[in-house]
Amino acid sequence: GAVVSQHPSRVICKSGTSVKIECRSLDFQATTMFWYRQFPKQSLMLMATSNEGSKATYEQGVEKDKFLINHASLTLSTLTVTSAHPEDSSFYICSAKPGGGAYEQFFGPGTRLTVL
Amino acid sequence: GNSVTQMEGPVTLSEEAFLTINCTYTATGYPSLFWYVQYPGEGLQLLLKATKADDKGSNKGFEATYRKETTSFHLEKGSVQVSDSAVYFCALSDPNSGGSNYKLTFGKGTLLTVNP
Repeated sequence: GAVVSQHPSRVICKSGTSVKIECRSLDFQATTMFWYRQFPKQSLMLMATSNEGSKATYEQGVEKDKFLINHASLTLSTLTVTSAHPEDSSFYICSAKPGGGAYEQFFGPGTRLTVL
Repeated sequence: GNSVTQMEGPVTLSEEAFLTINCTYTATGYPSLFWYVQYPGEGLQLLLKATKADDKGSNKGFEATYRKETTSFHLEKGSVQVSDSAVYFCALSDPNSGGSNYKLTFGKGTLLTVNP
């Protein structure tokens, strides 16, 4: 149980285009989902927290107009990187937390984004 | 604010050697503590956790004890295997920050390589 999937696992796009990454909780309802960015040989940086049906809360320094997050249902959150540039190339990981007072997060396998 | 400091790697051991990865934390409240493992090209998996002082988390031969007096949560394993090669992240979740979202604060990660 507690499986989180991400799609796609890898994506290569041209500079200036937009890319959408999906995060799904497969066997539980996720009231909260988190989006992280991981640079090579570095830790995870929390980008934003999204609660189902409400606007995402972005961490300081993260451009909300560039990284659009939608959490339209209890099992799906999407991250759209708009007008992507080479510096946006990174490993993006989502996690999902069940409701009901649970504190544990379950992580997706990550999406490798390469912007040419 | 909250922070997690873990020993910098990389750590290289021979099979069956003893492993310790140090982790200390600062938190405004009374956090839960976690160790996550990331195998190459994959997302994070929860390895073990502890939610209160003196709790010992254990899984797959790994152990860590929540030491409130030293604000530490060191990861240990008595005999490592080649398959343990991965990046290990120490993390905390502080219910006093981020409300009910239980945001995670990660350490920088420690790369462990186990040679046959």
